[in-house]
Amino acid sequence: GAGVSQTPSNKVTEKGKYVELRCDPISGHTALYWYRQSLGQGPEFLIYFQGTGAADDSGLPNDRFFAVRPEGSVSTLKIQRTERGDSAVYLCASSLTPGTRRYNEQFFGPGTRLTVL
Amino acid sequence: GIQVEQSPPDLILQEGANSTLRCNFSDSVNNLQWFHQNPWGQLINLFYIPSGTKQNGRLSATTVATERYSLLYISSSQTTDSGVYFCAVGGGTNAGKSTFGDGTTLTVKP
Repeated sequence: GAGVSQTPSNKVTEKGKYVELRCDPISGHTALYWYRQSLGQGPEFLIYFQGTGAADDSGLPNDRFFAVRPEGSVSTLKIQRTERGDSAVYLCASSLTPGTRRYNEQFFGPGTRLTVL
Repeated sequence: GIQVEQSPPDLILQEGANSTLRCNFSDSVNNLQWFHQNPWGQLINLFYIPSGTKQNGRLSATTVATERYSLLYISSSQTTDSGVYFCAVGGGTNAGKSTFGDGTTLTVKP
């Protein structure tokens, strides 16, 4: 597609429920990133995929968070047993293959606003 | 990890004024981007500038990598320039991830 797309745009859930957030990167981009943004702060890195594999998951806060990218394109961020502190905007970005000029220039989607009641 | 500091945290201008936003970072980088986050939350790419100087219309940016800072210049500001400006850097062994500063919130008054 023309840009990074994310669904849903808004998600309201109850404490303890499971949620899935989807990201569809720019066509041809092999790298995909998830970030989380809390109110008044800059985005915080969660996980980075190169192709199908997670190259860096050092930002995932705990084992309730998990992300997959089974075919190297669309990615799903999964949050189990949601807590109120998980409420934030979850942003996805994509970039070109390493070795390509400006390969690490990231392009962001519109985000999913997650509210845990 | 890399630390990123942006200044000032808040900036209020009259339409037509010029401004300079600063981004300091704590380590060498191979990626530096400036973004504008609009009121709807979308991050808009302004510059990809790990070093050197670039200009795009009323906006320009300079990164002095050896001194670990970058500057974003906005000239003849317009009300539509309002929003949050973020600097994001990446480098070293974790080339994939970017570390963001806390942003500068710009308000341009008519």
